Amino acid sequence: NAGVTQTPKFRILKIGQSMTLQCTQDMNHNYMYWYRQDPGMGLKLIYYSVGAGITDKGEVPNGYNVSRSTTEDFPLRLELAAPSQTSVYFCASREAPGQGQETQYFGPGTRLLVL
Amino acid sequence: QKEVEQNSGPLSVPEGAIASLNCTYSDRVSQSFFWYRQYSGKSPELIMSIYSNGDKEDGRFTAQLNKASQYVSLLIRDSQPSDSATYLCAANMEYGNKLVFGAGTILRVKS
Repeated sequence: NAGVTQTPKFRILKIGQSMTLQCTQDMNHNYMYWYRQDPGMGLKLIYYSVGAGITDKGEVPNGYNVSRSTTEDFPLRLELAAPSQTSVYFCASREAPGQGQETQYFGPGTRLLVL
Repeated sequence: QKEVEQNSGPLSVPEGAIASLNCTYSDRVSQSFFWYRQYSGKSPELIMSIYSNGDKEDGRFTAQLNKASQYVSLLIRDSQPSDSATYLCAANMEYGNKLVFGAGTILRVKS
């Protein structure tokens, strides 16, 4: 198992540009999450999904969009990049409740710089 | 009050000592708690999970949960320089199957 994979590893965007951060997991997890982590801070939840076709907002959803067409993939879209979106983005997945493990498994992260 | 709070540190301990990391939580979280370790520039990795009141040991790590006082702690025995990292406390929100994270405590183990 590759676990949770994210692409790209690093990206520089100009203000106003758009991009999609990719996240894929091969553990057949229903639940997937997107977090951002600013320097010296904890993780803040952007969006999450409990299954294909179902998404919901987290703590900091403004400026982002998500979709979940398959169990494996959970892309995060930035439509109009702003300097405030400079951060490290982590994708995570876990099993659905009642299936044993509540552990979230994290991808390696995408470092985004908006200039 | 934030759902999960941690002292940001840094916490400095000598090699071989016990490092004690603490975390307090609010009524808005459930009774599932997790400690993640994060090395600089890397993603968080799970060290311990704890669901029941009391202690849970795994090698050099012990997680302690005190529901009455609403705190959870992580003890690292025989601390090693390789333990130097940021330790994130996390808890499941009471509703919604979402994790909420503390800001993390920086641990520095000096040889």
